[in-house]
Amino acid sequence: EADIYQTPRYLVIGTGKKITLECSQTMGHDKMYWYQQDPGMELHLIHYSYGVNSTEKGDLSSESTVSRIRTEHFPLTLESARPSHTSQYLCASTATGTETQYFGPGTRLLVL
Amino acid sequence: TQLLEQSPQFLSIQEGENLTVYCNSSSVFSSLQWYRQEPGEGPVLLVTVVTGGEVKKLKRLTFQFGDARKDSSLHITAAQPGDTGLYLCAGRASGTYKYIFGTGTRLKVLA
Repeated sequence: EADIYQTPRYLVIGTGKKITLECSQTMGHDKMYWYQQDPGMELHLIHYSYGVNSTEKGDLSSESTVSRIRTEHFPLTLESARPSHTSQYLCASTATGTETQYFGPGTRLLVL
Repeated sequence: TQLLEQSPQFLSIQEGENLTVYCNSSSVFSSLQWYRQEPGEGPVLLVTVVTGGEVKKLKRLTFQFGDARKDSSLHITAAQPGDTGLYLCAGRASGTYKYIFGTGTRLKVLA
């Protein structure tokens, strides 16, 4: 059973609002990832972190930002949401030396 | 840019039939993983393969990593409705802990 949590599960907001999607894991994993996924489609890496104070942008250009102040916490922030940000956001973590990514349940975001 | 192409994109079959899903790339990967995702949930790891030519079995599922570590296949024997879902392959390039996901195969098994 994966101990990785995301909140909120669903979010409907208006254009221009600032939002933060939360992701926490209790497995002590050093590597964490944020992916964006449209329904039934592939996952696109938008941010990743190899440890505390380490963050990198992924392959998909994103207007979001992330922080990694604590090992267990990897929040993603959108300063000004737009309808083009409507998607599902998945957080994942993995431990060094293993190949298994554990995924959270995702946050479905709808920007009106 | 590394790409992982999966085929077929969609597959609808009757219970009891066999099927194979392919995951192909022009890039070499250190490891390749297969996930299954249910609607409204995150992907769940099925298997990881790391050695060229490696074959792994998980009950009715057989996974193979290509000799050159550029491609992989997933074969399901006697499919059941419980196998329905989105199947995703993901590759990790050498020297990195970034994972590239495939385009996905949506499988529906009819009772």
